[in-house]
Amino acid sequence: DGGITQSPKYLFRKEGQNVTLSCEQNLNHDAMYWYRQDPGQGLRLIYYSQIVNDFQKGDIAEGYSVSREKKESFPLTVTSAQKNPTAFYLCASSSRTGGGDEQFFGPGTRLTVL
Amino acid sequence: QKEVEQNSGPLSVPEGAIASLNCTYSDRVSQSFFWYRQYSGKSPELIMSIYSNGDKEDGRFTAQLNKASQYVSLLIRDSQPSDSATYLCAVKHNFNKFYFGSGTKLNVKP
Repeated sequence: DGGITQSPKYLFRKEGQNVTLSCEQNLNHDAMYWYRQDPGQGLRLIYYSQIVNDFQKGDIAEGYSVSREKKESFPLTVTSAQKNPTAFYLCASSSRTGGGDEQFFGPGTRLTVL
Repeated sequence: QKEVEQNSGPLSVPEGAIASLNCTYSDRVSQSFFWYRQYSGKSPELIMSIYSNGDKEDGRFTAQLNKASQYVSLLIRDSQPSDSATYLCAVKHNFNKFYFGSGTKLNVKP
């Protein structure tokens, strides 16, 4: 099955902890993205990567970090510097160019700070 | 000004009616436009993509694009209770960035 997987589905973090959210895709897409969604709101871009070993900050990158060492993987670390991390985190991927550039989403990780 | 704007709703329509969802965007050079459906607690699911002015039909869904007016719409014919969800409009900008509206909540009443 082709698609995007995220783990874990639910994650609980204590104050001051760093946590890492996993995102893997087997769609052979070059571009990958991390979004945050708060209740009743749209998606806000955290980081995105268009190619291996390269990534750019989105609109709300503070308190987050990413890496892109492999084409199929784009993990997100929520650091202790992120003051309000409780949210629904969505990973997505898309082809870089041309027609068929739709963006597809994984099932999401729901992070709660205890 | 937000990049992509949608009426948050809720939009209520009776079963079998046509639901009309609207979206405006601010960047005139945008070339790719998308509609996603998101059920409560789930991730967004792609419904339609549209790249050229005019209408694009797929089953009960029709996407409409007017680049001169910077306007995208989604029509859902013969609305069903299972269509009740939040519909997100997305616009692709340069450098492969996507911007999303805050979504319109649709309620289809049996």
